[in-house]
Amino acid sequence: GQNIDQPTEMTATEGAIVQINCTYQTSGFNGLFWYQQHAGEAPTFLSYNVLDGLEEKGRFSSFLSRSKGYSYLLLKELQMKDSASYLCAVMDSNYQLIWGAGTKLIIKP
Amino acid sequence: IAGITQAPTSQILAAGRRMTLRCTQDMRHNAMYWYRQDLGLGLRLIHYSNTAGTTGKGEVPDGYSVSRANTDDFPLTLASAVPSQTSVYFCASSDSTTSGGATGELFFGEGSRLTVL
Repeated sequence: GQNIDQPTEMTATEGAIVQINCTYQTSGFNGLFWYQQHAGEAPTFLSYNVLDGLEEKGRFSSFLSRSKGYSYLLLKELQMKDSASYLCAVMDSNYQLIWGAGTKLIIKP
Repeated sequence: IAGITQAPTSQILAAGRRMTLRCTQDMRHNAMYWYRQDLGLGLRLIHYSNTAGTTGKGEVPDGYSVSRANTDDFPLTLASAVPSQTSVYFCASSDSTTSGGATGELFFGEGSRLTVL
């Protein structure tokens, strides 16, 4: 079967750095995506990795290792507004997205 | 403002009733999707459409139907609602790649919170 695993919840301090991990087993691979979802709102696209390595976009970076079936989202200089759920998703061989259950990130002052 | 509009935003429904959730996008995206999101579970795909006139079944299609008469509209119908269909429903769309496949950058509507009693 196909599955995406990520931690259920993480807590971090304002101004710090946090790394959210995601491991996956899917039928084929056509890219890995991270989305942010604030409570009560719709998910919004954050990042896309299809090749191994690090993609940096401002305070957010995303890393991919296809051989290990592993990705992480790195958030730097955490702000209170970063409190949200972070969803990892993989596009499989049929170009369908397989979603993880999401990691709820709690930022404390 | 370009985007996806869902209606209604919230609805309480008696079991056995028929319900249609509406979804309209103005981005001219070919691909559209309906997901449900339940606490502790990832987004689960109900139905999708790669282009107007075609639809496909996702992971949890039972009890739901869709139609795609044109590019902009993608309604989701519950023929006879049951309590297990209580959920938050998200409609989404995505553009196509140069090879014709959908991209993974989805644009979501604000969601429809449905409660079936």
